[in-house]
Amino acid sequence: EAGVTQSPTHLIKTRGQQATLRCSPISGHTSVYWYQQALGLGLQFLLWYDEGEERNRGNFPPRFSGRQFPNYSSELNVNALELEDSALYLCASSPDATNEKLFFGSGTQLSVL
Amino acid sequence: GENVEQHPSTLSVQEGDSAVIKCTYSDSASNYFPWYKQELGKRPQLIIDIRSNVGEKKDQRIAVTLNKTAKHFSLHITETQPEDSAVYFCAASKGGSYIPTFGRGTSLIVHP
Repeated sequence: EAGVTQSPTHLIKTRGQQATLRCSPISGHTSVYWYQQALGLGLQFLLWYDEGEERNRGNFPPRFSGRQFPNYSSELNVNALELEDSALYLCASSPDATNEKLFFGSGTQLSVL
Repeated sequence: GENVEQHPSTLSVQEGDSAVIKCTYSDSASNYFPWYKQELGKRPQLIIDIRSNVGEKKDQRIAVTLNKTAKHFSLHITETQPEDSAVYFCAASKGGSYIPTFGRGTSLIVHP
């Protein structure tokens, strides 16, 4: 069984640009979570999607947005990039909205120069 | 919202020693407490979890204890080995939201 896959592995952008990160959940999983892992700050919750709908979002500005597609894959968009957006962005999936056990991808390392 | 504090931020032990990582949570409605292990350059992986109706759970060399009254839970690793070296994250979530709130992580270093 394939795990959660994320692309790209690394992404380098300049301040003000836009970034798109992609995530494919484990087959059969309907819930997708996005977390930001900045150095020393642990895992900060960004967005949660289930069955194509946004279920909740964390305390991040509106320039962080995303969507979930009919096949349950998801993308995270970050507009007007700022230097402090540099972090590892982790995607996780769970079988459904009632299952709290998360399966993480390896992440996308975003560097904003 | 939920707030999870995790201590220590760094823990250095000798191989064979025990290691204990502690977390406190703020929302008494939280009822699910997982622990994730993230080895260097790898993805976080669930290693053990506990629900609020259980006080302790063991899986080989790792165990988790929960004190609902004090709102804290701990990860215990016995007979540590170099491959236990990693960052460990605790988390808490409550029914209805299903969004785990994570602690900031503990970097465990096991010296051979």
